[in-house]
Amino acid sequence: NAGVTQTPKFRVLKTGQSMTLLCAQDMNHEYMYWYRQDPGMGLRLIHYSVGEGTTAKGEVPDGYNVSRLKKQNFLLGLESAAPSQTSVYFCASSRYLAGGANEQFFGPGTRLTVL
Amino acid sequence: RKEVEQDPGPFNVPEGATVAFNCTYSNSASQSFFWYRQDCRKEPKLLMSVYSSGNEDGRFTAQLNRASQYISLLIRDSKLSDSATYLCVVNEVRGYNKLIFGAGTRLAVHP
Repeated sequence: NAGVTQTPKFRVLKTGQSMTLLCAQDMNHEYMYWYRQDPGMGLRLIHYSVGEGTTAKGEVPDGYNVSRLKKQNFLLGLESAAPSQTSVYFCASSRYLAGGANEQFFGPGTRLTVL
Repeated sequence: RKEVEQDPGPFNVPEGATVAFNCTYSNSASQSFFWYRQDCRKEPKLLMSVYSSGNEDGRFTAQLNRASQYISLLIRDSKLSDSATYLCVVNEVRGYNKLIFGAGTRLAVHP
């Protein structure tokens, strides 16, 4: 099993360009998440999904959109990139557990620089 | 006030030392607690869950104090391979598995 994979691993964009980050998991997890990690800050949740066809906003959703057309894939889109979106982006997935918390499994991350 | 606060470190310790990290959380309704480990330029990985009674996994011991809203991680007999950033993580059940991450405490173990 590959676990959680992310593409691309690195990307440099110019301000105003768009791009899509792809996350895939082969563990049949219901929940998927997109986080960003910036120096001196904890991971912050951008958007999440509790199942195929559903998405919801997290803590810092502005400037991002997501889609979950298939259970195993979760896409993160930047429509018009800004320098403030320079960050490391992590995708994660977890099983559903009623009333509790499950371990989240993370992908290797995407390092994005916006010039 | 941050929801989960940690001393950023770095903690520089020699091999074999015992080191302790602390973490405080602001939401008294938090229900589950974890320590994740993150190596440099890698993804976070679960180190251990933290239970109310305290729990141990080899050289690692985690403690939870709900009254003080405080979590700790103790590492005994530090190894070079323990060098990493340790993330304190708190779960708030709000209809989904929401995790709140601390910014992490960096540990550097030297020979």
